[in-house]
Amino acid sequence: DVKVTQSSRYLVKRTGEKVFLECVQDMDHENMFWYRQDPGLGLRLIYFSYDVKMKEKGDIPEGYSVSREKKERFSLILESASTNQTSMYLCASSYVRGRQPQHFGDGTRLSIL
Amino acid sequence: QKEVEQNSGPLSVPEGAIASLNCTYSDRGSQSFFWYRQYSGKSPELIMFIYSNGDKEDGRFTAQLNKASQYVSLLIRDSQPSDSATYLCAVKRLTGGGNKLTFGTGTQLKVEL
Repeated sequence: DVKVTQSSRYLVKRTGEKVFLECVQDMDHENMFWYRQDPGLGLRLIYFSYDVKMKEKGDIPEGYSVSREKKERFSLILESASTNQTSMYLCASSYVRGRQPQHFGDGTRLSIL
Repeated sequence: QKEVEQNSGPLSVPEGAIASLNCTYSDRGSQSFFWYRQYSGKSPELIMFIYSNGDKEDGRFTAQLNKASQYVSLLIRDSQPSDSATYLCAVKRLTGGGNKLTFGTGTQLKVEL
């Protein structure tokens, strides 16, 4: 079974802090993704990566950055957390070839106070 | 127009009935379609995927795709209370790389005893 592990299930941070969310997958997937999910807005793609050190902006990259130094690990960084970044953050991974589905981690519920 | 549209529901069906969940998409060139189930507070889990016009069956689940009408549906036969969840439709875009998906906002299904 595919295992996508997010470092924290719940996280509380303060406005202005630099926040790191970590994601690790064990299936040697080339692609990794970060989404946020908000009521009524669904899943929105923040950033994705299709290879080590490669990244592309998704639909809502403002206020976020990412890092992928190793194939299995993809980090999401909130440079200066703001209250409007309070959300559920979901990491996913997939193979790059073919019509492959994405597999999700358990999610991190982040609250910015 | 949203890229992927779903009725938010809730859709209520009695136990044992057939639940029909619908999804329309705007990108006529979309090629891959996925259904995810998401329980409250949990991450999405893949139920089915479909690429070709017609029906695809897997146990109690049937996915139906009509590319001419840009319509994909999920039928759940013999609905059980454990099927109560939000069902997300996801479409793989043609443009861009890395197996990006666009998600609908989901339909909430309630199976009543």
